[in-house]
Amino acid sequence: DQQVKQNSPSLSVQEGRISILNCDYTNSMFDYFLWYKKYPAEGPTFLISISSIKDKNEDGRFTVFLNKSAKHLSLHIVPSQPGDSAVYFCAASVYGSQGNLIFGKGTKLSVKP
Amino acid sequence: KAGVTQTPRYLIKTRGQQVTLSCSPISGHRSVSWYQQTPGQGLQFLFEYFSETQRNKGNFPGRFSGRQFSNSRSEMNVSTLELGDSALYLCASSLVSGGGQPQHFGDGTRLSIL
Repeated sequence: DQQVKQNSPSLSVQEGRISILNCDYTNSMFDYFLWYKKYPAEGPTFLISISSIKDKNEDGRFTVFLNKSAKHLSLHIVPSQPGDSAVYFCAASVYGSQGNLIFGKGTKLSVKP
Repeated sequence: KAGVTQTPRYLIKTRGQQVTLSCSPISGHRSVSWYQQTPGQGLQFLFEYFSETQRNKGNFPGRFSGRQFSNSRSEMNVSTLELGDSALYLCASSLVSGGGQPQHFGDGTRLSIL
C-alpha cells in the first residue's frame, strides 16, 4: 500500500510558466515532508522541506504548500526553467524516524523553451 | 564541501555471490541511511545508522545488512545475491537522526546481477 502518492507520472510546462507538482499521503503520522530532484545517473538532490507545523515554505523559485487536512502537498516552481527538467520525488517521514524516508514514485517534469 | 561519496559506482556480480558497498557521508553528518531504487518499486528504505547503531530497518530480508564505523562511514552488505537484487543502491546522510534535517544523497552504486 503506497503511503506517498504522486499521481502524475509526467508534466510538461512552458519555460517561464509555473510548474505545480502534487503529492498525496495517507499516513497521518507523517510530520516532515521533502522534495527531491533527480537527474539521470545522479542521486536525488534535496530541494526544499516543510514541517507539519507549517503550511508553506519558500526558497527562491521553489515553494512547498502543505494541506494537512487534505493530506496533500504541492511544489510550485516559478518561473520554470529548462534546467528544471528532471524527475521530482516527494518524500515523508514520521517524527523520530526521519532516517526512514517514504518516497513517492516521482513525476517527470519537462520544461520546454 | 564534499558531498556523499559512494563506491564503487558500478558493480557486476553473479547469483549467489556477496557484495559490499561503501558510503562516506558529508563531513560532520552522523546519520547514514541506505535505499534501494528499482523501476518497479521506486525508492525503498533499507536501514539507518547513527553513532554506529542501527536505528531503523526497512522491510528487506536478512541477506541485507550494514554497519557504521566510528568516523560515520557506512558499509552495506548483501549476501547470496539474487537476480532481483539488481538495483541502484543509494546512501544518504544527515546531521542527526530524528531531528528534522534533510538527507543528502550520493550518486549511488549500480549493482547488476547476472
